[in-house]
Amino acid sequence: DSGVTQTPKHLITATGQRVTLRCSPRSGDLSVYWYQQSLDQGLQFLIQYYNGEERAKGNILERFSAQQFPDLHSELNLSSLELGDSALYFCASSGGTGDGETQYFGPGTRLLVL
Amino acid sequence: GQNIDQPTEMTATEGAIVQINCTYQTSGFNGLFWYQQHAGEAPTFLSYNVLDGLEEKGRFSSFLSRSKGYSYLLLKELQMKDSASYLCAVRGPYGGATNKLIFGTGTLLAVQP
Repeated sequence: DSGVTQTPKHLITATGQRVTLRCSPRSGDLSVYWYQQSLDQGLQFLIQYYNGEERAKGNILERFSAQQFPDLHSELNLSSLELGDSALYFCASSGGTGDGETQYFGPGTRLLVL
Repeated sequence: GQNIDQPTEMTATEGAIVQINCTYQTSGFNGLFWYQQHAGEAPTFLSYNVLDGLEEKGRFSSFLSRSKGYSYLLLKELQMKDSASYLCAVRGPYGGATNKLIFGTGTLLAVQP
């Protein structure tokens, strides 16, 4: 158990819908990262927040957005869902952004878009 | 650009030693991580290298050569539970104040009796 929690574990929805994925980082960690993992691709970095501020962006679609709240939990919002958005979405956390900061991953949310 | 290459699949025998290679070409480098991922589960941290050389941690060792853009993960005394994907990930340059990781597609290791 990494100490990172994600809800829900599974989500099934229809094309065009909007969903929200939630992540709580390990106690004391200030950085939260979101990754997408689909069957034919490796882990793709989406976005990073540090202490409430956006710190880095990867190949995140405009239909996707995220935020980190004052209590440091984070939410990833996916809208106008398409079949290709079906994937495992992982959240990771680390203490900060310093050298050697290890990212610890949550159990993931499996999203299926029908 | 960013490019990380690993073999797609490997097979090894229980009790043996296996080496999983990773080569990378990235714009900036500030460390290389290895993670283990069982199917459908979260990646779990195995090792971190930022300087050249070998880091040993029990049955797992990881090596880095920055000049060659090369790393390997060595697993000794293989056990059936080591059957998993092994992910190589490179951390970008620190100056950008980010800790994002670029992952390879992973090497699926099958350990056979």
